[in-house]
Amino acid sequence: EIVLTQSPGTLSLSPGERATLSCRASQSISSAYLAWYQHKPGQAPRLLIFGASSRATGIPDRFSGSGSGTDFTLTISRLEPEDFAVYYCQYYIASPFTFGPGTNLEIK
Amino acid sequence: EDQLVQSGGDVAHPGGSLRLSCAGSGFTFSSSRLHWVRQAPGKGLEWLSAIGPTGTTYYTDSVKGRFTISRDNAKSSFYLQMNNLTVEDVAVYYCAKRSGGFDLWGQGTMVTVSS
Repeated sequence: EIVLTQSPGTLSLSPGERATLSCRASQSISSAYLAWYQHKPGQAPRLLIFGASSRATGIPDRFSGSGSGTDFTLTISRLEPEDFAVYYCQYYIASPFTFGPGTNLEIK
Repeated sequence: EDQLVQSGGDVAHPGGSLRLSCAGSGFTFSSSRLHWVRQAPGKGLEWLSAIGPTGTTYYTDSVKGRFTISRDNAKSSFYLQMNNLTVEDVAVYYCAKRSGGFDLWGQGTMVTVSS
């Protein structure tokens, strides 16, 4: 079973700054099945990136994904106030469709 | 507009049962791969169960034998029957559709287990 770890656990940044979030898999995985989600309190999670680097419908281009093998990155080029949330990566090729533990992106 | 609308959820006693429902619209329900995910208080997202277009089911170990996922394509709905509930099952439960990631989510419903 693939285990996903995310770092850092908490990232404190200011609006306008660049955010780099990491997701590492316990073994090499297919990038075609790596997704990133944004989750805000009281809301449903929102798909940002699928296939490691493809933006989901309606996602601003300040969000980008990259990576392969075991190391994947979500980058938010210039943080907007609405971007502060918890971010999860997920490997969705097959059961179990495990999520990483999340990175809490908070306002500094 | 594509959407998933959840119902069910409530308070159950330890050892009790609840049934969650999720109704889909705006997309081809019968060919969709459907999932349940939960978030316990102060915790991250936990994938629970999935059902494929042909009815094949999948479960995470912590709910296997207690939870049952099912679908009714005629009603464009799918369900999570939860039995033998414990305090560890307290969470917000989400239904979701998978198509290149989980691209559509329900609004979430709270399940509380308390005596």
